[in-house]
Amino acid sequence: EPEVTQTPSHQVTQMGQEVILRCVPISNHLYFYWYRQILGQKVEFLVSFYNNEISEKSEIFDDQFSVERPDGSNFTLKIRSTKLEDSAMYFCASSGQGWGNQPQHFGDGTRLSIL
Amino acid sequence: AQKITQTQPGMFVQEKEAVTLDCTYDTSDQSYGLFWYKQPSSGEMIFLIYQGSYDEQNATEGRYSLNFQKARKSANLVISASQLGDSAMYFCAMREGGAGANSKLTFGKGITLSVRP
Repeated sequence: EPEVTQTPSHQVTQMGQEVILRCVPISNHLYFYWYRQILGQKVEFLVSFYNNEISEKSEIFDDQFSVERPDGSNFTLKIRSTKLEDSAMYFCASSGQGWGNQPQHFGDGTRLSIL
Repeated sequence: AQKITQTQPGMFVQEKEAVTLDCTYDTSDQSYGLFWYKQPSSGEMIFLIYQGSYDEQNATEGRYSLNFQKARKSANLVISASQLGDSAMYFCAMREGGAGANSKLTFGKGITLSVRP
């Protein structure tokens, strides 16, 4: 069964450094998302992306965050200058449709640890 | 107000018995969808079941079924014949908006389920 792939599985970075989290969505999907989950807390929406542009972003997704689909397969999340509070599990998700009964399929996540 | 409320403390169930995990939601949209995801201790998010706001029948998917009560705004997950591998965190989530929307999922806080042998 096709799946969403995220790399790396774990990233350790010094505070203030830039980090890029990578995702390969399911190949025929058109809708892409990033979520994060701080340890022990609920999953929070960051940004949705369709047709090469951001559809919606949350308050968390400030100027330090950006997303890109540099080619036909990858979908990346960049954090420009990381803070301690950025430590979390980051999930990429994709969907064949932005509404209706098609679920968002999640990758296994990247655990980001900021030192 | 919380959009998705999951208030049960950690739940315990005996292997092979059924268990119900509660979820209530709040929306003013007429068109919305409700999803349940499972998160084992390894951390991945696994889609389990979907219920649309216009669906007249309760959704079922193998051992999972959804008890959808629209007037009460509840969408409880029922797991029948629990297995040890069902031990995990379970999240209820909602997507608002109808056709043409590219809608995010809003998650509840989750419920921890432990299955006892």
